[in-house]
Amino acid sequence: GAVVSQHPSRVICKSGTSVKIECRSLDFQATTMFWYRQFPKKSLMLMATSNEGSKATYEQGVEKDKFLINHASLTLSTLTVTSAHPEDSSFYICSATRRVWPEAFFGQGTRLTVV
Amino acid sequence: GNSVTQMEGPVTLSEEAFLTINCTYTATGYPSLFWYVQYPGEGLQLLLKATKADDKGSNKGFEATYRKETTSFHLEKGSVQVSDSAVYFCALRLEGGSEKLVFGKGTKLTVNP
Repeated sequence: GAVVSQHPSRVICKSGTSVKIECRSLDFQATTMFWYRQFPKKSLMLMATSNEGSKATYEQGVEKDKFLINHASLTLSTLTVTSAHPEDSSFYICSATRRVWPEAFFGQGTRLTVV
Repeated sequence: GNSVTQMEGPVTLSEEAFLTINCTYTATGYPSLFWYVQYPGEGLQLLLKATKADDKGSNKGFEATYRKETTSFHLEKGSVQVSDSAVYFCALRLEGGSEKLVFGKGTKLTVNP
């Protein structure tokens, strides 16, 4: 299958600082990338859908000013958690797909801990 | 609306036991169906897929058949191994239009030696 790389895998930051997470499709050009947040009881929450060159579409209840998404190219999307707080601590996962594919491919995830 | 319902578990089995994780869906048209697996501390990996009715997806000894009449896509494996311990997610993608995946809540499987 196609490869999606997410970086960093783990990050610890201080409350009030910002953290950037990168998601790259390594061997294909992704028409769309998605950002998810996973809670301890394992459920996945879709945060936003990101298309290259256009603004991300956020799901209801997700603060767009807090979770900034930039999709700079067909192989890179970034999620920036701004002014992070302990309640933002979570596991964040990206995925990428092409319009002609039925499936999406996922990154390895990023464990964010805000202290 | 479109949704996926899967048994939440947890499911605990002994090695070499038979596994079934039920998944049913509600969707308009003919969605594509998937099973993803998540090992501890990792992202999701595509396990298998089926894109039309009666298709059987298979990989690593796991199988699932797209049943349109029962709107189901149950995951099965004849003999589980300790290394199969993970969380399994059933998902669908609608035909045409949005590329979003709709996920079930996940089923945690633990296989004991």
